Amino acid sequence: DIQMTQSPSSLSASVGDRVTISCRASQSIATHLNWYQQKPGKVPTLLIYSASTLQSGVPSRFGGSGSGTDFTLTISNLQPEDLATYYCQQSYRTPALTFGGGTKVEIK
Amino acid sequence: EVQVVESGGGLVQPGGSLRLSCAASGFTVGSNYMYWVRQAPGKGLEWISVIYTGGTTYYADSVKGRFTISRKNSNNTLFLQMNSLRPEDTALYYCAKVRSGVWGYYFDYWGQGIPVTVSS
Repeated sequence: DIQMTQSPSSLSASVGDRVTISCRASQSIATHLNWYQQKPGKVPTLLIYSASTLQSGVPSRFGGSGSGTDFTLTISNLQPEDLATYYCQQSYRTPALTFGGGTKVEIK
Repeated sequence: EVQVVESGGGLVQPGGSLRLSCAASGFTVGSNYMYWVRQAPGKGLEWISVIYTGGTTYYADSVKGRFTISRKNSNNTLFLQMNSLRPEDTALYYCAKVRSGVWGYYFDYWGQGIPVTVSS
């Protein structure tokens, strides 16, 4: 299976800050990388697919980039409702759609 | 409107069995890749099983030989039969639909999650 490693595992930032979360794959996955947001006690929801395509309805302050093995999720202008854990997930190698370990974003 | 509703979880002793169900509406289970994904308390997401449209099934090593995924097209329902349960199987179990395209695969609809606790 392809291993996905996220960093940091947690971060604390202030409202209005720019936040960057990294995700690294154990082998090249082209741009087959998705990002999910899981708010406390809720079901994960898709933010970004294919590394950089924003899912319909997702605020434009969320952005994704990267290809190959290194990817980034950026939240510009952090808002209180962005309190959540964020997961990357590769879809290059099926059936094992593996996830990163998650990054917990807290608001200062 | 798409809905995915899981049922069948609960408390079970180590070595016991449970059968999870996932009733879908708004889409056809048999026409989509359907996964079970679990989340242990305070932990991340782990795919554990998938059934493809043609009926092929796959399992994560952590559950292979103990869990069986199946579906009943007439009821538009997905199942997960879990046998020989271990304490480390304690988790919230999600049924999730995959959307596929040239971009790859992503989970577009999830159930609300059903808790499974394995403890004596």
